[in-house]
Order: sequence, then structure tokens, then C-alpha cells
Amino acid sequence: SAVISQKPSRDICQRGTSLTIQCQVDSQVTMMFWYRQQPGQSLTLIATANQGSEATYESGFVIDKFPISRPNLTFSTLTVSNMSPEDSSIYLCSVSRDSYEQYFGPGTRLTVT
Amino acid sequence: ELKVEQNPLFLSMQEGKNYTIYCNYSTTSDRLYWYRQDPGKSLESLFVLLSNGAVKQEGRLMASLDTKARLSTLHITAAVHDLSATYFCAGPQGGSEKLVFGKGTKLTVNP
Repeated sequence: SAVISQKPSRDICQRGTSLTIQCQVDSQVTMMFWYRQQPGQSLTLIATANQGSEATYESGFVIDKFPISRPNLTFSTLTVSNMSPEDSSIYLCSVSRDSYEQYFGPGTRLTVT
Repeated sequence: ELKVEQNPLFLSMQEGKNYTIYCNYSTTSDRLYWYRQDPGKSLESLFVLLSNGAVKQEGRLMASLDTKARLSTLHITAAVHDLSATYFCAGPQGGSEKLVFGKGTKLTVNP
């Protein structure tokens, strides 16, 4: 398995500000992903965090809004920029290993007022 | 593009009863994931089904995969209250490791 931590666990932010979420894994992993779960909804993939290169974004998500960094094989950050109430969600990072298992972090619960 | 459909979306059942959650997916996939989510919590991995005919069991939950029918099932045997949660199935997009999730099945087990 993988032990994944996220910081912060929750935050309440004002409209127009930005928040950076950190994801730390206990060992090196090849793939890291960021998902969003809006209230009462399922999970939607935001992007794949690529080590040493720009993240790969899914349709509907752009780098200016959700810049992602991945400086090494155990760490990634997701920034939610210029926030609006519609960004209120749970943001989860996930990691994948060679066994096809995919594990999720505890999530960051973001409320934008 | 992969689409994943779960049904039912809401399931209320009595303790001791059996039921099945269905997960249909739209394109060929060689694996299928099941997760559990408790309110306010993250996702807990239940099963990864890696081949046609795969069957895995853990306690009162049993999952199976039929890649020809593009169908996975999660069977609940003799439900207990502790199984109350939302269950998601997910499949890999285009052979990658990016997951596409179903809408989830919110299971409530009543005493």
C-alpha cells in the first residue's frame, strides 16, 4: 500500500484568493494524480502530475486555474487560483504503483466564501 | 472515451439481506476498481479486478468482472450496518492509469 498525506486537511478561503495543497507519499511512485469531488458528487480527474515536466490536464481544467508542481517522485502540489464558491470541493491526490493499485490521500476539504 | 454507470445510485436495505450493485462501462477495459467512501472521508480501496472472470471477496463483499459484458458487480451478503457507505466503481481511461468514476451508490443498511 501507500501512505499519503495531504496538507491542509481543510480550509476556508475568501473569493479571489489562492490555496496550495500539498501531497506527500511515503515512497517513490511513478504516477500521481489530482481529483476533485464536488459536494455530493463523484470524483473527476483534474490532471496527472508529471515529475520533471508540465502536468497533463483533463478537459475542462487549465494550468492557469490549477497549477501543479511535482519536483520529485514523492511530492506534488496543486494550487487552486483565484477561487470562487464553485471551487468548494474536496481535492484528493492519488498515486499508482506497478501493481495497478491506486491509492487516495485523505483529501483537502476546501470551502470558498 | 470511457463512461462508467452504476446502479442503483441509492440503496436502502435491511440488515441480513443480500443485494448487488452493478457497474457498466462503455469501452473495453482489462481492469476495474471498487472503492468505499464513508461520509467526510477519503476513498478506501476495496478491490482491483484485473482479468475477465476475476472474483474477489472480502468479508461480506464480493466483486466480479465480466469484460465481455463490460460489467462488474459488487455483491453484499447478509448486510450489516457497518457497510453503510458510498461505493464507487472506476475504470482506467484508454488503458492509462487515469480513472473514470461512476456516480457512486449510497448504501444505507438499516437495523
